[in-house]
Amino acid sequence: EIVVTQSPGTLSLSPGERATLSCRASQSISSSFLAWYQQKPGQAPRLLIYGASNRATGIPDRFSGSGSGTDFTLTINRLEPEDSAVYYCQQYGGSLTFGGGTKVEIK
Amino acid sequence: QVQLQESGPGLVKPSQTLSLTCTVSGGSINTGDYYWSWIRQSPIKGLEWIGYIYYTGNTYYNPSLKSRMTISIDISKSQFSLRLASVTAADTAVYYCARTWISQYYYMDVWGKGTTVTVSS
Repeated sequence: EIVVTQSPGTLSLSPGERATLSCRASQSISSSFLAWYQQKPGQAPRLLIYGASNRATGIPDRFSGSGSGTDFTLTINRLEPEDSAVYYCQQYGGSLTFGGGTKVEIK
Repeated sequence: QVQLQESGPGLVKPSQTLSLTCTVSGGSINTGDYYWSWIRQSPIKGLEWIGYIYYTGNTYYNPSLKSRMTISIDISKSQFSLRLASVTAADTAVYYCARTWISQYYYMDVWGKGTTVTVSS
């Protein structure tokens, strides 16, 4: 099973700043099979990015994804208070697994 | 737009079988474009994919749960279901159902709100 590790565990930033979230897979995966989700307290995860860099419907262009192989990044530009959430990456490499999440706090 | 809603008992006794149903509304469950997934989330294990089913009935399970689980689909009711046998406290979690795109990409684009299941005597 491919293990997905996210870092940092928590990111505390001010509005307007940029957040850079990392997702590392224990084996190389196709970028087509990497997705990012946002989850707010008491809610289900919401799809942000699929195929490593494609924004889902309705997702602002402040959110962008990149990466390949084992290293992937979610970037959130111009942070807004509503971006406060936990962000998860998900991979498919024979089986589907999620990372442990990065909590983004807005000061 | 498509909506998913989980339903089932919120409390299950240890060693019994957990049964949940997901009802799909606003769209067709027997579309060839999507699979239908179960995912759970607990503070200890985080988000964990359980398995998914295609409208034809083909299923794919998480290897760690495969021996205890069954996912089925009822197209006439626009529902798919999860049964997890011999539950323990480790199966306590929020259970989500989700629409899953599996072809060129793998992702879950529509989720239910989730239902909390507690395993306790």
